[in-house]
Amino acid sequence: GEDVEQSLFLSVREGDSSVINCTYTDSSSTYLYWYKQEPGAGLQLLTYIFSNMDMKQDQRLTVLLNKKDKHLSLRIADTQTGDSAIYFCAESPRGSSNTGKLIFGQGTTLQVKP
Amino acid sequence: SQTIHQWPATLVQPVGSPLSLECTVEGTSNPNLYWYRQAAGRGLQLLFYSVGIGQISSEVPQNLSASRPQDRQFILSSKKLLLSDSGFYLCAWSSVDTQYFGPGTRLTVL
Repeated sequence: GEDVEQSLFLSVREGDSSVINCTYTDSSSTYLYWYKQEPGAGLQLLTYIFSNMDMKQDQRLTVLLNKKDKHLSLRIADTQTGDSAIYFCAESPRGSSNTGKLIFGQGTTLQVKP
Repeated sequence: SQTIHQWPATLVQPVGSPLSLECTVEGTSNPNLYWYRQAAGRGLQLLFYSVGIGQISSEVPQNLSASRPQDRQFILSSKKLLLSDSGFYLCAWSSVDTQYFGPGTRLTVL
């Protein structure tokens, strides 16, 4: 079945790089996404990558996609205390083009220590 | 630009009382709409989605129902709330693949 797995917790020091990892099961997914959720707020779309790309960079964020291993990662350079949040990985599985349904991971809580 | 609104932001209700949460989207037409519940700040559970007016698909059997009376309005309801209905309810919209989320409603059932 469709599944997205993430580690639950990551702690880094301010100024270090953070790497949040995700594995997914549907190799035919069209897009893969990273969302950020701050406490008490909705999910904010951070970035997404099309499945025929290997890498996407947007300022401090770098997304790497390994289709062979079905592995997605989000690297945050120069992590700041404002980056503390829950990060969700999501995929758009096969057959979802009409409904727009996404499959979400359980979220990784990023703790940034000053 | 598109915006999505949810209200109320927070709600405290007694067990057995009715519920109505509202979600509206501006700046787009014929969006797909979604209701999620998030327990204890963790994963998202998709409750309902809608691809058009009056079209509702339920993902899990539960004490809740959804309706879409207008193109950009999505309502989550219950006739009698249970303690287990407590959580953070998120509405989202999409045009093709990408979903955009509202600010959420924190529901506490006592």
